[in-house]
Amino acid sequence: GAGVSQTPSNKVTEKGKYVELRCDPISGHTALYWYRQSLGQGPEFLIYFQGTGAADDSGLPNDRFFAVRPEGSVSTLKIQRTERGDSAVYLCASSEEGAISYNEQFFGPGTRLTVL
Amino acid sequence: KQEVTQIPAALSVPEGENLVLNCSFTDSAIYNLQWFRQDPGKGLTSLLLIQSSQREQTSGRLNASLDKSSGRSTLYIAASQPGDSATYLCAPLRGKLIFGQGTELSVKP
Repeated sequence: GAGVSQTPSNKVTEKGKYVELRCDPISGHTALYWYRQSLGQGPEFLIYFQGTGAADDSGLPNDRFFAVRPEGSVSTLKIQRTERGDSAVYLCASSEEGAISYNEQFFGPGTRLTVL
Repeated sequence: KQEVTQIPAALSVPEGENLVLNCSFTDSAIYNLQWFRQDPGKGLTSLLLIQSSQREQTSGRLNASLDKSSGRSTLYIAASQPGDSATYLCAPLRGKLIFGQGTELSVKP
């Protein structure tokens, strides 16, 4: 596709429920990142995939959060037993293969998650 | 741990002014630095990327400089326009982007 896409754009759920957020990276980009942005703050890193494997998951806040990228393209961020504090905009980004750390990251529009 | 500070937090200027947004970071061992723009309720748009070996990068009315050793970057916007109104975020990268809280810019017609 032309850019990074994320679905859904908005998700409202109740405390304790399970949610899945999807990210489609730019075609051909092998690196994929998830960030979380709370109101009035800059985005915070969650997890980074190189291909199918999670190269750095140090930003995941706790074991309720999990992400997968089984075929090295689409990624799903999964949140179990949601809490009100999980409410935020979840952003996905992708970048090209190669010297990954030097490459420009391109962001999707985000998924706004609201936990009631 | 990398910490990023952006000054000022908010800025309001009349149309046509030249302006400078400041970014400082505590860990100079970075690979590159990106400047982003974020419109309300939207995702991030990449404006400029400066590699760690570069001193500056230009795109149209935007010029970004990087002084890695002192942990500073600036974004210069020439001849500001109302359409430039947005939040501007800087993010040094070493494996992952670390963001500041942004500068909220308002350009008045």
